[in-house]
Amino acid sequence: TQLLEQSPQFLSIQEGENLTVYCNSSSVFSSLQWYRQEPGEGPVLLVTVVTGGEVKKLKRLTFQFGDARKDSSLHITAAQPGDTGLYLCAGGPLDSSYKLIFGSGTRLLVRP
Amino acid sequence: EAQVTQNPRYLITVTGKKLTVTCSQNMNHEYMSWYRQDPGLGLRQIYYSMNVEVTDKGDVPEGYKVSRKEKRNFPLILESPSPNQTSLYFCASSTKNTGTSGQKRRGEQYFGPGTRLTVT
Repeated sequence: TQLLEQSPQFLSIQEGENLTVYCNSSSVFSSLQWYRQEPGEGPVLLVTVVTGGEVKKLKRLTFQFGDARKDSSLHITAAQPGDTGLYLCAGGPLDSSYKLIFGSGTRLLVRP
Repeated sequence: EAQVTQNPRYLITVTGKKLTVTCSQNMNHEYMSWYRQDPGLGLRQIYYSMNVEVTDKGDVPEGYKVSRKEKRNFPLILESPSPNQTSLYFCASSTKNTGTSGQKRRGEQYFGPGTRLTVT
């Protein structure tokens, strides 16, 4: 079974600080997605990365896909209270075009 | 407004009483999926459907059934619910994947608002 391990599980930081969330696996994925989930709602897609080494930026969020397509990171610069939420990574297995494997999530709290 | 709807949003039931959670999308998406979310385990895929009348098992299909008779609807059926099926359930739909083999870009998945199920 392919697994995606996210770290840290919980993160509480002060507004303005930087942070990085990691998503690691021993398996290769064809693509990797990052979602954010607010309480009482479903996850919302932030970004999809496909190519090994790919870096994508979304305002203060920077996403990177590892060269070997086994890991990914999400870096937030100058975090704001509005960034608070559950961040989930999800990988597409090579042997399936339709399955999606989710990590267990990182719960982020940004204190004002 | 493009959306995925689920009903009911909350349900408390007893062991063994059959129930159905409905899911509907208005985006003409081919692909639909059901997940359950449990603390510390993230989202785990129950079943997915690539198109009408085409479904397949995800990682945790035991105790669940699905059907895809119409493109827009993908109900989740629990024939005989048990307490270990107490969970938060999400339906999702997406467009087809793009790209070549080995580097397929998954279509963006749109998630419903969730159904919180408690089985006593």
